[in-house]
Amino acid sequence: SQKIEQNSEALNIQEGKTATLTCNYTNYSPAYLQWYRQDPGRGPVFLLLIRENEKEKRKERLKVTFDTTLKQSLFHITASQPADSATYLCALNAGNNRKLIWGLGTSLAVNP
Amino acid sequence: DAGVIQSPRHEVTEMGQEVTLRCKPISGHDYLFWYRQTMMRGLELLIYFNNNVPIDDSGMPEDRFSAKMPNASFSTLKIQPSEPRDSAVYFCASSRGQREQYFGPGTRLTVT
Repeated sequence: SQKIEQNSEALNIQEGKTATLTCNYTNYSPAYLQWYRQDPGRGPVFLLLIRENEKEKRKERLKVTFDTTLKQSLFHITASQPADSATYLCALNAGNNRKLIWGLGTSLAVNP
Repeated sequence: DAGVIQSPRHEVTEMGQEVTLRCKPISGHDYLFWYRQTMMRGLELLIYFNNNVPIDDSGMPEDRFSAKMPNASFSTLKIQPSEPRDSAVYFCASSRGQREQYFGPGTRLTVT
């Protein structure tokens, strides 16, 4: 069956360290993959989009990689801060349309 | 920009009652999405519109759910009759041309 998997365990790291979150997928060939941040009681907020022909994309302290052979995306937050604590969701498109399939998210806690 | 606006923010209703959720997308956005989020299943796309026309409603769970978009600035999601298993957070999101989606704050629905 088609599915997306993210780290099910919550990730706890120390402030200043790099957080790395994983998104694995099976039975898809997505044209692009997106990462969103969700805080409790709020809607997801878009962070980064990476296309299938891009290996890496950066935005400030954020970096996303996309390996279509491994069917995996990694999301990195460098110099993490307590304000980065949230749930991070990955989503990929399911075909030649705007429909996104979502992972369940990984909860990140950055401890001061 | 006011962002995506949803109402009500919270809805508590009894089984069998009709529920109507409302959404105002960001002005100028031509795509509108309705999602449902639960702990077990995460974010699930219910239906999406392009230029007020429904494009993919394959995620609508059953005939009890219906959605309309009478104009570019308003959409409704209706559940009739509601059941306890419909309890979830319902999000509306919009986008324009670009792939990233902008989410509203959500409506937390509780059906008793």
